[in-house]
Amino acid sequence: GEDVEQSLFLSVREGDSSVINCTYTDSSSTYLYWYKQEPGAGLQLLTYIFSNMDMKQDQRLTVLLNKKDKHLSLRIADTQTGDSAIYFCAERRGASYGKLTFGQGTILTVHP
Amino acid sequence: KAGVTQTPRYLIKTRGQQVTLSCSPISGHRSVSWYQQTPGQGLQFLFEYFSETQRNKGNFPGRFSGRQFSNSRSEMNVSTLELGDSALYLCASSLAGTSGATGELFFGEGSRLTVL
Repeated sequence: GEDVEQSLFLSVREGDSSVINCTYTDSSSTYLYWYKQEPGAGLQLLTYIFSNMDMKQDQRLTVLLNKKDKHLSLRIADTQTGDSAIYFCAERRGASYGKLTFGQGTILTVHP
Repeated sequence: KAGVTQTPRYLIKTRGQQVTLSCSPISGHRSVSWYQQTPGQGLQFLFEYFSETQRNKGNFPGRFSGRQFSNSRSEMNVSTLELGDSALYLCASSLAGTSGATGELFFGEGSRLTVL
């Protein structure tokens, strides 16, 4: 299959860590991205990882990539209520440039 | 640096009409992609333009078309609108295809189309 799969919902308490998971199927994926979408808004690029990397850290965000299992995760440390949003993982396959394949999105709810 | 600008932000049309949406990319970006977002189908790729040429196309009927101008601005057109075309249409620009670029897409706020 060609799907990118994500769990639909995640609920955490403020101050805890959030881990959003994603699996992809295409071994030709070159870059993998995480986007955030708030209500009524477009997509905001959070971070990306190149397929030859295992991990990337950017302030509160940590991306882990397991190429063998085709598994990608996004960890948000010290989650805040402002992090409540929909998070999408996306893959770029080969040299497909502007064409990304998105997962269905994970709705993250952060409770005070 | 200004972000990706899409106009109009909201519009309402009736079945059978046609619509044109506009996108101005980030300055210096030559690649413009269009996506359709619906609750049922999620984010689906429509097409991508680079230097006025369509470089990639998704699985949408011929009613959906686009073009890119010499200043990299892009338009997409949907003819003979159907109820199912109601969606958020997102435009994204990138340096993809430019030497050394890592291909991140930067999205606009979208144009929300309602077809009655």
